[in-house]
Amino acid sequence: GENVEQHPSTLSVQEGDSAVIKCTYSDSASNYFPWYKQELGKRPQLIIDIRSNVGEKKDQRIAVTLNKTAKHFSLHITETQPEDSAVYFCAAISISSASKIIFGSGTRLSIRP
Amino acid sequence: NAGVMQNPRHLVRRRGQEARLRCSPMKGHSHVYWYRQLPEEGLKFMVYLQKENIIDESGMPKERFSAEFPKEGPSILRIQQVVRGDSAAYFCASSLYQGNEQFFGPGTRLTVL
Repeated sequence: GENVEQHPSTLSVQEGDSAVIKCTYSDSASNYFPWYKQELGKRPQLIIDIRSNVGEKKDQRIAVTLNKTAKHFSLHITETQPEDSAVYFCAAISISSASKIIFGSGTRLSIRP
Repeated sequence: NAGVMQNPRHLVRRRGQEARLRCSPMKGHSHVYWYRQLPEEGLKFMVYLQKENIIDESGMPKERFSAEFPKEGPSILRIQQVVRGDSAAYFCASSLYQGNEQFFGPGTRLTVL
């Protein structure tokens, strides 16, 4: 079945440094890859997404890359700030599976002051 | 434009009771998804519904769980004879079209005593 693997499970970086989270997916029909940020007790919030016809997308300090051949995609956060501390989930959606989101297991990102 | 609404936000039930969780999608959205999040874990897909139809229920337990999205009114996730293992946060999401961005509600946190 569909599966999304995410690592690392926890990540601690110094404020101002970059953070990278990596994911792989199994369903080759996946064509949409959103990233969600979830703060404690809150709902998941979409922070950036990428579709399978694009290799890279950037929005200010956040960028996402996609390698369809290798079924890898990554989130890059530059110049990290304390408010970036949260749990981040990668996800994959396949139109062939009724568009349900298959989530990774999450990365708990902590920014050290 | 109100976002996705869920109620109640917190629900406490004793073992064997029934839990009813409600989700009102964003205005104009006819696609609703339910996800479950166990403590310290990622979100798992449960069911995908369009108005009056269940499209994909592959993530929903076969027994005790049911979902509906009537022509009028909110989507309902119903859990009969709850057990302690049902304690979790239940999120619904809605989208305008299949394969589009899904917007999440604030979640219902179910606690089974």
